[in-house]
Amino acid sequence: AQSVAQPEDQVNVAEGNPLTVKCTYSVSGNPYLFWYVQYPNRGLQFLLKYITGDNLVKGSYGFEAEFNKSQTSFHLKKPSALVSDSALYFCAVSPYGGATNKLIFGTGTLLAVQP
Amino acid sequence: GAVVSQHPSRVICKSGTSVKIECRSLDFQATTMFWYRQFPKQSLMLMATSNEGSKATYEQGVEKDKFLINHASLTLSTLTVTSAHPEDSSFYICSAEQGRDGYTFGSGTRLTVV
Repeated sequence: AQSVAQPEDQVNVAEGNPLTVKCTYSVSGNPYLFWYVQYPNRGLQFLLKYITGDNLVKGSYGFEAEFNKSQTSFHLKKPSALVSDSALYFCAVSPYGGATNKLIFGTGTLLAVQP
Repeated sequence: GAVVSQHPSRVICKSGTSVKIECRSLDFQATTMFWYRQFPKQSLMLMATSNEGSKATYEQGVEKDKFLINHASLTLSTLTVTSAHPEDSSFYICSAEQGRDGYTFGSGTRLTVV
């Protein structure tokens, strides 16, 4: 079955330190990969996506993600965390490599950045 | 950038009544829209795919007679929760596809059935 895994329910990091939010996927073919952020009682905001090309993708608010095909991972990273980065982060996959198909979401990772 | 407007953001209704949630693409046409449901501290569960001018495609386990979806134009999809009950209380989110670039999400609707 196709799935997306975010192994950490919560990630705690001190402000100014680098952060990593992990994501692995299990889908066939060449999927599109996404990261979204959600603030309380709000919809999802797009951070970045990988379709093809350079494995390191840069997105909004200083976030980046590295696509690793052999490990089927797409970890989200930021060199220096801000308190305002505290939110719920979702990794998602479009299995058939197109945006006209439904997304499969991971279970989400709550990022808590301490001042 | 592309914007999807979802309304209302919050609604409280009595058990047995129906509630309509609207999802509009403001500056682009959306042939396909998606409706998700999110339980507290859980991921988004796809409920149905809404296609303009045709019947929605529901995911397994989602009651199509309870969650009515209408996508009558290229900029508007609606989700109606019929005969709502407390177990329908949840956060509902719509999204619209933008072709190759991905998806834009609405801001969500918090439904509380009392």
